[in-house]
Amino acid sequence: EMQLVESGGGLVKPGGSLRLSCAASGFTFSSYTMNWVRQAPGKGLEWVSSISSSSNYIYYADSVKGRFTISRDNAKNSLYLQMNSLRADDTAVYYCVRESRMATLAGALYIYYYYMDVWGKGNTVTVSS
Amino acid sequence: SSELTQDPAVSVALGQTVRITCQGDSLRGRYASWYQQKPGQAPVLVFYGKNSRPSGIPDRFSGSTSGNTTSLTITGAQAEDEADYFCNSRDNSGNQPVFGGGTKLTVL
Repeated sequence: EMQLVESGGGLVKPGGSLRLSCAASGFTFSSYTMNWVRQAPGKGLEWVSSISSSSNYIYYADSVKGRFTISRDNAKNSLYLQMNSLRADDTAVYYCVRESRMATLAGALYIYYYYMDVWGKGNTVTVSS
Repeated sequence: SSELTQDPAVSVALGQTVRITCQGDSLRGRYASWYQQKPGQAPVLVFYGKNSRPSGIPDRFSGSTSGNTTSLTITGAQAEDEADYFCNSRDNSGNQPVFGGGTKLTVL
């Protein structure tokens, strides 16, 4: 069974730091781009960061750029999110998410499309004094 | 703009058909994916690509795309379909995922 299990969340004061971890099992972790997606209380989903299978491509949402760092250890089947300079608006449930990609032929071109097919149960981060 | 716009709330009578839409310029030439989220649970992928459903998702869920609009259709909505639904695609650069604001579906 494919599984993602997040850990490391909790209560932290504004300006503080936390490191989230995500342990993957049941699939070849090293073959997939991985993401962090968060959801503030009562709000929608917000993509936070992504990292390609070999860590060659890393992207961040503008809201966390310069404060958060995504990384992975394929030997340990693990994904991480180092969160620094935390603010109250970082309060959210953080999901570790696997991304898959497929291609379809449209005329003479391939169209790639992406989807997030495996989600962890989420880990709560609360930033409050 | 890379934003994806969804109606905040939609309702449907039990057994009827409902369409949930998602609009955005970044959808042109791309396929979106759709996620169902029930209270207190993680999102679940229900539809993706041109015409794909994950294993275990009922065939009453279908999708379509035209221009800058993508839609999730539930044909014969059931009580258990009551949930929040989110669309997802890429931004204009193609590098970053973007989510719609979500649609709360109520089954009457």
